[in-house]
Amino acid sequence: KQEVTQIPAALSVPEGENLVLNCSFTDSAIYNLQWFRQDPGKGLTSLLLIQSSQREQTSGRLNASLDKSSGRSTLYIAASQPGDSATYLCAVKDRGSTLGRLYFGRGTQLTVWP
Amino acid sequence: NAGVTQTPKFQVLKTGQSMTLQCAQDMNHNSMYWYRQDPGMGLRLIYYSASEGTTDKGEVPNGYNVSRLNKREFSLRLESAAPSQTSVYFCASSEWPNTEAFFGQGTRLTVV
Repeated sequence: KQEVTQIPAALSVPEGENLVLNCSFTDSAIYNLQWFRQDPGKGLTSLLLIQSSQREQTSGRLNASLDKSSGRSTLYIAASQPGDSATYLCAVKDRGSTLGRLYFGRGTQLTVWP
Repeated sequence: NAGVTQTPKFQVLKTGQSMTLQCAQDMNHNSMYWYRQDPGMGLRLIYYSASEGTTDKGEVPNGYNVSRLNKREFSLRLESAAPSQTSVYFCASSEWPNTEAFFGQGTRLTVV
């Protein structure tokens, strides 16, 4: 069974820092990997989708990389802002599933203080 | 752009009561999912539907039933609610297998 791990579980940084969130998965047979943001009491907002054939995706200050062979992805946030404070979730869409269901990590809770 | 819409947003039930959580998507996706999110557990798949008329169990299906009413709508029913079903429930949709998954805003359910 696919297992997804996110490190660290929590991160607190001052505004302006560049930071990296880590995600690892146990089975490299995936279709894609997706990063989400979740604000307290809210739903999941998709940030970036990386297909298994891709190495990275960028959106504004966010850059996500994928190393499928080693089962790792990183989310890089440049010049962090207090508005980036949220929980970030990593999920993989598994080729072993008949429906391509998502397997989620437990998230990294990010706090950016002014 | 509505995306995935869930109703209700909040609900309090007494043990033994029943209710149906509604989900609708307007993106013409074939695949729809129900997840639950619990502290320290992450999101876990309850049921999914590959297409209209088909449903299948995920990893935590006990105590739930689903209906894929049409391509747009996928409902989750609790026949006899238990305190262990207190959770946040999310509906999602996507085109299998390579496309982005979209989530609703969640239903926060408390069973007392």
